[in-house]
Amino acid sequence: EDQVTQSPEALRLQEGESSSLNCSYTVSGLRGLFWYRQDPGKGPEFLFTLYSAGEEKEKERLKATLTKKESFLHITAPKPEDSATYLCAVLTSNDYKLSFGAGTTVTVRA
Amino acid sequence: SAVISQKPSRDICQRGTSLTIQCQVDSQVTMMFWYRQQPGQSLTLIATANQGSEATYESGFVIDKFPISRPNLTFSTLTVSNMSPEDSSIYLCSVVASGQGGTEAFFGQGTRLTVV
Repeated sequence: EDQVTQSPEALRLQEGESSSLNCSYTVSGLRGLFWYRQDPGKGPEFLFTLYSAGEEKEKERLKATLTKKESFLHITAPKPEDSATYLCAVLTSNDYKLSFGAGTTVTVRA
Repeated sequence: SAVISQKPSRDICQRGTSLTIQCQVDSQVTMMFWYRQQPGQSLTLIATANQGSEATYESGFVIDKFPISRPNLTFSTLTVSNMSPEDSSIYLCSVVASGQGGTEAFFGQGTRLTVV
């Protein structure tokens, strides 16, 4: 059974204090790893899809990387508006169903 | 990217009643899904909404409780039937777009359901 584990559960940062979120996965065959941002009361906002080990993608202050066992979401010099829950999900089959981790809630203080 | 509109955005319902949630996409998509997000938890897939055929349900979800319609490639509905307080959750519609540029999965804003 596919397993997706995110750590830490919660992360409190000072504005400008860079950090990383982890998403480790145990799957039978990875076809894609997805990162989302979710604000309270809203649906997940798509950020990135990573497909193979060594791949990196960037968007503003966010950078996602992928290895054979885990993915990292690096937040560089975060701002309060980066406060959100970050979800990762894996795609392992041809039917395009996603399996989600529990998420990391990031709070950035000014 | 795909723009997904869900209605209603929130509702408070009496136990024993049913609620139908609508999902409208701004483009034709083959793959459409319904997820549930219980309070403080992550997303769980309810079913795949298949156009022109019956939905495919995940383990723990049944058609009598969560009937789904998919009349065309841009629209789907999810009904939460005979509701109980345990059904209080956010319900989310999702579509997947896959092509030469890769695969992306988008979500609607969700329907926050409270059953009293």
